[in-house]
Amino acid sequence: DQQVKQNSPSLSVQEGRISILNCDYTNSMFDYFLWYKKYPAEGPTFLISISSIKDKNEDGRFTVFLNKSAKHLSLHIVPSQPGDSAVYFCAASGSGGYQKVTFGTGTKLQVIP
Amino acid sequence: AAGVIQSPRHLIKEKRETATLKCYPIPRHDTVYWYQQGPGQDPQFLISFYEKMQSDKGSIPDRFSAQQFSDYHSELNMSSLELGDSALYFCASHRRGASNEQFFGPGTRLTVL
Repeated sequence: DQQVKQNSPSLSVQEGRISILNCDYTNSMFDYFLWYKKYPAEGPTFLISISSIKDKNEDGRFTVFLNKSAKHLSLHIVPSQPGDSAVYFCAASGSGGYQKVTFGTGTKLQVIP
Repeated sequence: AAGVIQSPRHLIKEKRETATLKCYPIPRHDTVYWYQQGPGQDPQFLISFYEKMQSDKGSIPDRFSAQQFSDYHSELNMSSLELGDSALYFCASHRRGASNEQFFGPGTRLTVL
């Protein structure tokens, strides 16, 4: 039962353009969402997060949008850079000081120079 | 800044052997999580500890056990290893109440022959 889904296993974008990675979730108990970036043979690196009380959070080139009614979130990267090429995992957790993170299946982003 | 440390980074074992993976969380982090990532899969939550007590349990086989010690480091013990246990094992740490972001270690790649 995949509670966090990333329907696009891969995405190719030209350098300088916008990358949009999408994520859907099914568990309405999730109220904190995160994006992690992962390179091969390394652990996931935290990128950006959003609480369910917000619908947008920005950090530099990265913006996460949350649509609670649709149980959908997206990560926008503008402008995309070749160094952004990695696997991006959407993740979700419940509230509280400690909650396990449920990961999506990942989207492999390739930014073409 | 100090990061999560995992040892060993690579481990090769034979079927039916045992393995012990170690995780040293970021200083002052009180919660440790273990995840397993099989080939081509998303990380799956195994087990977590808060203040040396098990706080949550996921899809961890009965052959596996884990604990968190007084210095907050954690060990994942795996017995009667099977071929399907070959995976990347990530440890993540977190400071309860500070934020919901989990910081991941580089992982231990376990290969069972």
